[in-house]
Amino acid sequence: QSILTQPPSASGTPGQRVTISCSGSSSNIGSNTVNWYKQLPGTAPKLLIHSYDLRPSGVPDRFSGSSSGTSASLAISGLQSEDEADYYCAAWDDSLNGVVFGGGTKLTVL
Amino acid sequence: EVQLVESGGALVQPGGSLRLSCAASGFTFSTYWMNWVRQALGKELEWVANIKQDGSEKFYVDSVKGRFTISRDNAKNSLYLQMNSLRADDTAVYFCARGHVRVATSARFEYWGQGTLVTVSS
Repeated sequence: QSILTQPPSASGTPGQRVTISCSGSSSNIGSNTVNWYKQLPGTAPKLLIHSYDLRPSGVPDRFSGSSSGTSASLAISGLQSEDEADYYCAAWDDSLNGVVFGGGTKLTVL
Repeated sequence: EVQLVESGGALVQPGGSLRLSCAASGFTFSTYWMNWVRQALGKELEWVANIKQDGSEKFYVDSVKGRFTISRDNAKNSLYLQMNSLRADDTAVYFCARGHVRVATSARFEYWGQGTLVTVSS
């Protein structure tokens, strides 16, 4: 059972907008920045969003992040086939004194 | 170009030990917190440990406290993970990841290695 809760799956058709939620608590999302990662099978995760809503260089602006209280969301607009992957949220947890990840959401592009 | 290259993964018996290494290049290694993150086959990511720039502070996930030790050698641009008393549930791909330049309390990992597989089995 992960400390950060994500839906196990999500789906959409090309061109659609999808959102992935990440629910935590006051000791993690409620007090520390949320980061989002994309992982393709057999590869290392790639940072998509950091500090709630900032994109590293090279990440398309189709990806955006938001947060409110103890929850955060990743939104992907203009869905493309190459967006099919696993997505993880992550944040520092002040109670555990460590980084916690969500359980991951498998995104399928129909 | 930033590169992180892990090595040292192997098949080891329960109760055994293993030392993982991560060779860093393309950035000033001594100025960043560094992390180990693992992922069992088909499972979610799990942060394992991190270490401050000078090695003076370290944090661990509860499940490895007392068994794993993270360390670094800034002169060699290298990160290490000494794993003792290994258990079957330590079986995973272990990634090293570059952390924040200033704070420990960040889950922002902008660069990752390709991972090295540790299998604990008799």
